Amino acid sequence: DQQVKQNSPSLSVQEGRISILNCDYTNSMFDYFLWYKKYPAEGPTFLISISSIKDKNEDGRFTVFLNKSAKHLSLHIVPSQPGDSAVYFCAASAGSSYKLIFGSGTRLLVRP
Amino acid sequence: DADVTQTPRNRITKTGKRIMLECSQTKGHDRMYWYRQDPGLGLRLIYYSFDVKDINKGEISDGYSVSRQAQAKFSLSLESAIPNQTALYFCATSDARGASGGYNEQFFGPGTRLTVL
Repeated sequence: DQQVKQNSPSLSVQEGRISILNCDYTNSMFDYFLWYKKYPAEGPTFLISISSIKDKNEDGRFTVFLNKSAKHLSLHIVPSQPGDSAVYFCAASAGSSYKLIFGSGTRLLVRP
Repeated sequence: DADVTQTPRNRITKTGKRIMLECSQTKGHDRMYWYRQDPGLGLRLIYYSFDVKDINKGEISDGYSVSRQAQAKFSLSLESAIPNQTALYFCATSDARGASGGYNEQFFGPGTRLTVL
């Protein structure tokens, strides 16, 4: 049973528009959430994170929103750029376990 | 130079063969992890180690073993490879002190693509 789900395997967006990537989780013990970005032939790289005590965290063009009651988080990229084309993974951890549970990923294509 | 390196980057082997994947890091992190990625399944944790004397099983450890030879080195072994172990394997590290910029932020190597025929 997947504890972290990314239900959209792919997303295509026009350059300059907003990209919204979604993630749902089932484990109410998760208290920290991360987004990773992965290019082909490279390892995932950390993008942005959010603690469960917050509902929003912003870093430049990237904003993560957390809705604890819905067990849902989303990553907004504004404006989207062709270099943002990659696979995005949502991940979650609980307490001091330091283990990350990953979603299956969403492939984002930003069209010029 | 890369902070987390993995060797080999690509490997093709046959069923029943023993194979070792190696990971080295220069980040000075205590914690190291091995994941595998399969299409549509994301990354799943195989083993993790919080220091040289600490080894823990992840969610899919069957068929794998690990060795933490030093703080900077963590190797993954497949004692008798089978075709369903064909996957992309990633090593990752994290700082136990949380000083690397983010709570539980993990830093990944470039991956090893393993094919078992």
